[in-house]
Amino acid sequence: DAGITQSPRYKITETGRQVTLMCHQTWSHSYMFWYRQDLGHGLRLIYYSAAADITDKGEVPDGYVVSRSKTENFPLTLESATRSQTSVYFCASSERGGRDEQFFGPGTRLTVL
Amino acid sequence: GQQLNQSPQSMFIQEGEDVSMNCTSSSIFNTWLWYKQEPGEGPVLLIALYKAGELTSNGRLTAQFGITRKDSFLNISASIPSDVGIYFCGGGSNYKLTFGKGTLLTVNP
Repeated sequence: DAGITQSPRYKITETGRQVTLMCHQTWSHSYMFWYRQDLGHGLRLIYYSAAADITDKGEVPDGYVVSRSKTENFPLTLESATRSQTSVYFCASSERGGRDEQFFGPGTRLTVL
Repeated sequence: GQQLNQSPQSMFIQEGEDVSMNCTSSSIFNTWLWYKQEPGEGPVLLIALYKAGELTSNGRLTAQFGITRKDSFLNISASIPSDVGIYFCGGGSNYKLTFGKGTLLTVNP
């Protein structure tokens, strides 16, 4: 089915472990984004990508790594998870960045113990 | 960085009432987007606005792009119980959206 998917939907991990969250879109949108959503903070941009092999930091990038070898995939890696990274993570895509409609995936709820 | 002020933070209304919420910023945006989020799901796009002064409707929802490009409002007419959720505004610049913190809407049947 067309759209944007995220996996896993739920993840529990321990402090210090590496975790990778997956995002896949079928629209061939140029831009992809990773946000985290926390109570009291709303949606905050972690990283974004304007095209394959082009990524840049958002508002809260520390502790996260991204890559984009293919247009349709944009994985987010927590290299050494911390409790402060417990959050709901959303992936989104759009054709023209902030000048266009942005579509969100269903989210991944990550708990770091 | 760019900041958006969204108000009100929450609303508790009776079914059938009209609702209005807005977002303001000190920054100019190229686009304004309005989203609704329900528990356990991602934000869903409701309305997209691309020009200053633009007024757009989607069913019972109406949104406007402020003439100064620094604000936008969303109105919901004749609310129904399924309107409950969190409504977010997003102001778009060149490559990204900046989001308000959301308005939690509760509709009492």
